[in-house]
Amino acid sequence: EAQVTQNPRYLITVTGKKLTVTCSQNMNHEYMSWYRQDPGLGLRQIYYSMNVEVTDKGDVPEGYKVSRKEKRNFPLILESPSPNQTSLYFCASTVGQRYSPLHFGNGTRLTVT
Amino acid sequence: KQEVTQIPAALSVPEGENLVLNCSFTDSAIYNLQWFRQDPGKGLTSLLLIQSSQREQTSGRLNASLDKSSGRSTLYIAASQPGDSATYLCAVRRKGGGFKTIFGAGTRLFVKA
Repeated sequence: EAQVTQNPRYLITVTGKKLTVTCSQNMNHEYMSWYRQDPGLGLRQIYYSMNVEVTDKGDVPEGYKVSRKEKRNFPLILESPSPNQTSLYFCASTVGQRYSPLHFGNGTRLTVT
Repeated sequence: KQEVTQIPAALSVPEGENLVLNCSFTDSAIYNLQWFRQDPGKGLTSLLLIQSSQREQTSGRLNASLDKSSGRSTLYIAASQPGDSATYLCAVRRKGGGFKTIFGAGTRLFVKA
């Protein structure tokens, strides 16, 4: 089944403890992206990747890192999480920039205390 | 800067009613516009994708239109059902470098049985 898989689904951590949220897609998609969703603010783009080893900042990149060493995986790294990074995170992918829909993972709910 | 607005923020209708959700965007330099459905605590499900050169797309009881010159899209839901209750999001894929997708804050729909 074609899908975008995020792990974990739920994560509770403490301020400053490094964490990684994984994202993997099995559709051979070139483009991948991370978003955070907060009440009243909608989804905002954190980082995106247009191919292996090609990543760039979205609208809210501060406090996050990403890597794209292989086509299928696009992990989101929080080196020193803070409470303002408590949010619902989504990974998405698409085969092409212009004509193809975004496919989303099921989300990761992160709480930083 | 691209901004996407969805009106109304919330809508409650009786079962069977036809309804229209609105999405407006400020910059017409887009590749496409995509409508999503989101159930509480869940991921985003793609409903319809309209290319910038298209005027509308249909899937079952759903019809989405796009007027790029005026920066507007509508999602028409025919004969609404309680199972249609969810939050509906629109997103535009921006032209002009990078892989940028801008989301509206969504319309929360409640269909009463």
